[in-house]
Amino acid sequence: GAGVSQSPSNKVTEKGKDVELRCDPISGHTALYWYRQRLGQGLEFLIYFQGNSAPDKSGLPSDRFSAERTGESVSTLTIQRTQQEDSAVYLCASSLVSDRVYTQYFGPGTRLTVL
Amino acid sequence: DQQVKQNSPSLSVQEGRISILNCDYTNSMFDYFLWYKKYPAEGPTFLISISSIKDKNEDGRFTVFLNKSAKHLSLHIVPSQPGDSAVYFCAASASQGAQKLVFGQGTRLTINP
Repeated sequence: GAGVSQSPSNKVTEKGKDVELRCDPISGHTALYWYRQRLGQGLEFLIYFQGNSAPDKSGLPSDRFSAERTGESVSTLTIQRTQQEDSAVYLCASSLVSDRVYTQYFGPGTRLTVL
Repeated sequence: DQQVKQNSPSLSVQEGRISILNCDYTNSMFDYFLWYKKYPAEGPTFLISISSIKDKNEDGRFTVFLNKSAKHLSLHIVPSQPGDSAVYFCAASASQGAQKLVFGQGTRLTINP
């Protein structure tokens, strides 16, 4: 059973360009999360998907950020008109929502560098 | 507003001794707490968790203690091993809402041989 996978592992882009990051969750996990970690900081929640419910977008820092999820599988995080402050590691996690245990399993992350 | 704080950015412990990592939180709605371990270039790995109905949870060398009145939790690792060297993140969630985790800034633990 594969864990959470993310691609690309590294992305270098120029300021103003759009980027798309991909996450493949663990099969059967109904919940999917995106976080980002800036240098020297903790993980910052961005967005949460759970089944067919409307996503919780409360952590998205600006309208340049958006995310989609196809059913209960792959998700993409899109950042439009990237800025240097968007440079961070973007982490995806998935979990099996059952009872009260919501342990989240993380992918290796995508390191985004905006020049 | 930092709702989960790990005030020690780094900790160095001798192999075989006890490592104690601390975490404080401010939101009284938090009722589930987790510790994650992170190696460089890898995603965080779940280590141990505790529900607010308990004050202690133990798993092998790892024990998490929760003091709700002080809004404080700690992770004890004993005995510490070189492979425990990593960054440790404390995280919290509230049963009301989307189960999103709120993370501390992390503590870099170094185990010296």
